[in-house]
Amino acid sequence: DAMVIQNPRYQVTQFGKPVTLSCSQTLNHNVMYWYQQKSSQAPKLLFHYYDKDFNNEADTPDNFQSRRPNTSFCFLDIRSPGLGDAAMYLCATSDGAGDSYEQYFGPGTRLTVT
Amino acid sequence: GQNIDQPTEMTATEGAIVQINCTYQTSGFNGLFWYQQHAGEAPTFLSYNVLDGLEEKGRFSSFLSRSKGYSYLLLKELQMKDSASYLCAVKDSNYQLIWGAGTKLIIKP
Repeated sequence: DAMVIQNPRYQVTQFGKPVTLSCSQTLNHNVMYWYQQKSSQAPKLLFHYYDKDFNNEADTPDNFQSRRPNTSFCFLDIRSPGLGDAAMYLCATSDGAGDSYEQYFGPGTRLTVT
Repeated sequence: GQNIDQPTEMTATEGAIVQINCTYQTSGFNGLFWYQQHAGEAPTFLSYNVLDGLEEKGRFSSFLSRSKGYSYLLLKELQMKDSASYLCAVKDSNYQLIWGAGTKLIIKP
């Protein structure tokens, strides 16, 4: 089945220790997104790529970086995680960015910072 | 600023009908989405409205009034598995999705 895969599902890191979250897709979608979601809050868009065109949201902290080496893979790097970065990180894809294109989400990576 | 409002929590009884409302104020409008999110899981797509009116899909229906900046999701014949959060999201003039914080729906037997 075509899908969005995120690894790992659960990640524990220490305060200040860099961590990388990964996402892959078999849907061959042009657009990939990274969201941060905290409990009972709306998903917060961090980055999105339209093909290789990188788009950084204005309020995404510099501590967060992203890479998309090819169509299938996308990575989220957190250079120096703080306690406030503990959250669910969701990767999503869509076949385009126009009006009716829905987003397909991976299962998420729950990040704990100790 | 851009804003999506939904009730924080609702409770309903198994077998009943529930309506979850969403009001929005966004810079432009290119469609409204409803997603279901079970606890600890990723959101899954339920419905999309871009024109006024009702879209029906099985037990779930979604309504849109663009002039009022209003939508609702109607769930019929509620089942225990419908216990989840329901997120309303609007695509703005830049085709960015603006998300609501979600409505947590609790189903009681």
